[in-house]
Amino acid sequence: NAGVMQNPRHLVRRRGQEARLRCSPMKGHSHVYWYRQLPEEGLKFMVYLQKENIIDESGMPKERFSAEFPKEGPSILRIQQVVRGDSAAYFCASSQLLAGVTRETQYFGPGTRLLVL
Amino acid sequence: ELKVEQNPLFLSMQEGKNYTIYCNYSTTSDRLYWYRQDPGKSLESLFVLLSNGAVKQEGRLMASLDTKARLSTLHITAAVHDLSATYFCAGANFGNEKLTFGTGTRLTIIP
Repeated sequence: NAGVMQNPRHLVRRRGQEARLRCSPMKGHSHVYWYRQLPEEGLKFMVYLQKENIIDESGMPKERFSAEFPKEGPSILRIQQVVRGDSAAYFCASSQLLAGVTRETQYFGPGTRLLVL
Repeated sequence: ELKVEQNPLFLSMQEGKNYTIYCNYSTTSDRLYWYRQDPGKSLESLFVLLSNGAVKQEGRLMASLDTKARLSTLHITAAVHDLSATYFCAGANFGNEKLTFGTGTRLTIIP
């Protein structure tokens, strides 16, 4: 059973370009979370999605950042017009929430390390 | 808003010694997780603690939860070098799936 997959693993962009980060959840998982980790810091929640729905985007910056999890295909975190401060590791996690039950462990992908020049 | 604090931030210890990492949280947390992260790698799930008094052990690591004190501990017994990593605790509130992470404890085991 493959774990959470993320690609690319490393991404270099120049200021003003767009960054697209992809995440495929574990098989059978329908809930995806994105977190950002700045150097030497803990992870900060960005957004929580289910298929075709954004459930909680309270951690997403108001501008330039968007996320989606379409019916088919991976979840995508998009950063438009990147700036140097966007340089970080972006982790995707997935979980399997049974109907009406929470408390499921989130399993993390290997991360995408974004470097903005 | 849930806040999670860990201490110490850095811990250097000799092989064979015991030590404890502490995780305090600010408001009621429905569950508490411990993760391990090696440099440049992802997070590996170690434990999930769901109720007051919960204790879980895996090898040389043991985690416990005291919901009244809003405290979780990760105890390391007879440390070995391959336990060197950064350890994070994270909490979440019932009905809210986002995890709030502590700042992490960077553990270095010295031979």
